[in-house]
Amino acid sequence: EIVMTQSPATLSVSPGERATLSCRASQSFSRSLAWYQQKPGQAPRLLIYGASTRATGLPARFSGSGSGTEFTLTISSLQSEDFAVYYCQQYSDWPPTFGQGTKVEIK
Amino acid sequence: VQLQESGPGLVKPSQTLSLTCSVSGGSISSGDFYWTWIRQSPEKGLEWIGFISSSGSTSYNPSLQSRLVISEDTSKNQFSLNLTSVTATDTAVYFCARAFGYYYYYMDVWGKGTTVTVSS
Repeated sequence: EIVMTQSPATLSVSPGERATLSCRASQSFSRSLAWYQQKPGQAPRLLIYGASTRATGLPARFSGSGSGTEFTLTISSLQSEDFAVYYCQQYSDWPPTFGQGTKVEIK
Repeated sequence: VQLQESGPGLVKPSQTLSLTCSVSGGSISSGDFYWTWIRQSPEKGLEWIGFISSSGSTSYNPSLQSRLVISEDTSKNQFSLNLTSVTATDTAVYFCARAFGYYYYYMDVWGKGTTVTVSS
């Protein structure tokens, strides 16, 4: 199975600053990658699919990029509601697999 | 579309874990959707369990395949998970979700999740 590795494990950012989250795959694939946001006690929420397509209603400050083995989620100007854990998920091969998450915390 | 998990929160080791996902706002038999189970634990993180499609086909995580059955009740618009011979490693929050398609297998709608503890 494809192993997804996210870095860093924790990212400390001040409100209004830019956050860059990385996701690396153990095997190369095109753009079959999704990003999710999870807040405590809640289910994950789809943010990005196809590596760069924003889910319906997602603010433009969220953007995804990458292909092959390197993918990035960028939050251009962090808002208070963006502090959460973010997961990447590949759907290029079966079984679908998730990264271990990056926690974005307030600096 | 909304999804809601239900089932016992405590299961004894070696017994069967049974959960149901009730779907409202859309039929599980229509469209090209894949009705999915995912679990989350501190040890393993988010782990895909398996799906049943709108056409009734199933696919399971190879690591669980020998113990797992996912089924549907279209009359009730529900799908279910049965995991046999559970151990403490099956303790997790279990989510049901809708995946958009077989080649676009990302989850766009999730239930709130239900915590299952395996303990005697």
